[in-house]
Amino acid sequence: EVQLVQSGAEVRRPGESLKISCKGSGYSFNTCWIGWVRQMAGKGLEWMGIIYPGDSATRYSPSFQGQVTMSADKSISTAYLQWSSLRASDSAMYYCARLCHVPAAEYYFDYWGQGTQVFVSS
Amino acid sequence: EIVMTQSPATLSVSPGERATLSCRASQTVSSNLAWYQQKPGQAPRLLIYGASTRATGIPARFRGSGSGTEFSLTISSLQSEDFAVYYCQQYNYWLTWTFGQGTKVEIK
Repeated sequence: EVQLVQSGAEVRRPGESLKISCKGSGYSFNTCWIGWVRQMAGKGLEWMGIIYPGDSATRYSPSFQGQVTMSADKSISTAYLQWSSLRASDSAMYYCARLCHVPAAEYYFDYWGQGTQVFVSS
Repeated sequence: EIVMTQSPATLSVSPGERATLSCRASQTVSSNLAWYQQKPGQAPRLLIYGASTRATGIPARFRGSGSGTEFSLTISSLQSEDFAVYYCQQYNYWLTWTFGQGTKVEIK
C-alpha cells in the first residue's frame, strides 16, 4: 500500500526556521516525484514545487521560488520542505503528494500525505 | 497561467440525487484534467484523471467528462460520504499546473 506520512503540526515565531518531512512507503520512492501543495485556511490548493528523490532534482512554482527549499534523502525515503525565515503568511496546511506518471505526461498527484499544519505567530 | 474556474461554488443536493460539477479552463488543456475530493480535516484524494478515468478504488458513481476547456464531474447518486469539496486540476504542460477554487457539495 502506497503511503505518504508527514511530520506533525508545528508552531513557530516569525523569523524562525522550519523543516517538515514526508516519508514514503509501499513503492519505489526514488522513481516518482514528490510535490508540495499549500492550502491556506479555508482556501484552495496551490502547488509549490516538486522534487525527484532519485537525484534530488527540484522544480519550483514561480510563486514559491526563493521562499522555500525542497530536499530529499532517498536512503530513508523522505522528502523535506523547509523555510529559513518564516512569516505569519506561511501559516497553512502543507501536503506532500506523489507525482508518478511523468513519462506518460500525466502530471496528477495520485497519493497524498495527511498534511502538516504550520502556524506562525508572534 | 491557465485559470480554472469551478461552478457552482456550493451545490446543495439531497442524498440519492445526482450532482453535476463544472470546471472551465481559460484555454484548452486537452484531456489533461484531474478531479480531487477533499473531506473536512482530510487530505485531497484523487478521483479522476485524464478527464474521465477513475482512479484506483473510486466507485463507478463518479464520472468525469469533457475535453478542451469544458469539464464536468457527475456523482450519480450522492451518498453521505460524498459530501465534500471537489477540486479540478489541469496539467496540460509540465510545471504549469493550476487548481480550480473548489466546489463544496453540501447536504440539502
